[in-house]
Amino acid sequence: VQLQQSGPGLVKPSQTLSLTCAISGDSVSSNSAAWNWVRQSPSRGLEWLGRTYYRSKWYNDYAVSVKGRITINPDTSKNEFSLQLNSVTPEDTAVYYCARRRPDLAFDIWGQGTMVTVSS
Amino acid sequence: DIVMTQSPDSLAVSLGERATINCKSSQSVLYSSNNKNYLAWYQQKPGQPPKVLIYWASTRESGVPDRFSGSGSGTDFTLTISSLQAEDVAVYYCQQHYSTPITFGQGTRLEIK
Repeated sequence: VQLQQSGPGLVKPSQTLSLTCAISGDSVSSNSAAWNWVRQSPSRGLEWLGRTYYRSKWYNDYAVSVKGRITINPDTSKNEFSLQLNSVTPEDTAVYYCARRRPDLAFDIWGQGTMVTVSS
Repeated sequence: DIVMTQSPDSLAVSLGERATINCKSSQSVLYSSNNKNYLAWYQQKPGQPPKVLIYWASTRESGVPDRFSGSGSGTDFTLTISSLQAEDVAVYYCQQHYSTPITFGQGTRLEIK
């Protein structure tokens, strides 16, 4: 199983950060996985942002710290999932990771990480 | 939110010696229905994503050397490296996956003395 991230490394303040995580070797629609976004910065450490998962229907959970600004969407046609974070500020500057979690287990597969800088 | 606190923040150990990292959660991460602690340990090297070493507090992920072990239950946990190797230099994180939001400790930097 591999996760391949893509997306821009520079976003202007107040604009939308958009990243995609392409899945190979598993399915975004799997009933035995959840697909997560995590970010890492010196000031905030490792911070879980949210997840999407399918259990007969789609579910999403988001961290309170970004709720209202975040959307995680699955794309079954491309077998990938995406992160959108609106109204970004310099505090959203971080390395962003996608990661898989199987039920009751830890994050076992991670993307390579994308350094996103919020700056004009 | 469950707060995860690691100690120490940094640690220097001689090659071949034991390294011990502690993690405390602000509430229990023991799931009573299956008696499993939803606590994981990760290793992160520069420029790489975290790599899971231990889950359920004491179960080694496939392929992880047996010098890595985890122990503890409830709110207090320990990661032990029995005989430090040069390739173990990294930052180590604990994580609770008992409830959302999933939260991580602040990290412990492990170096060679």
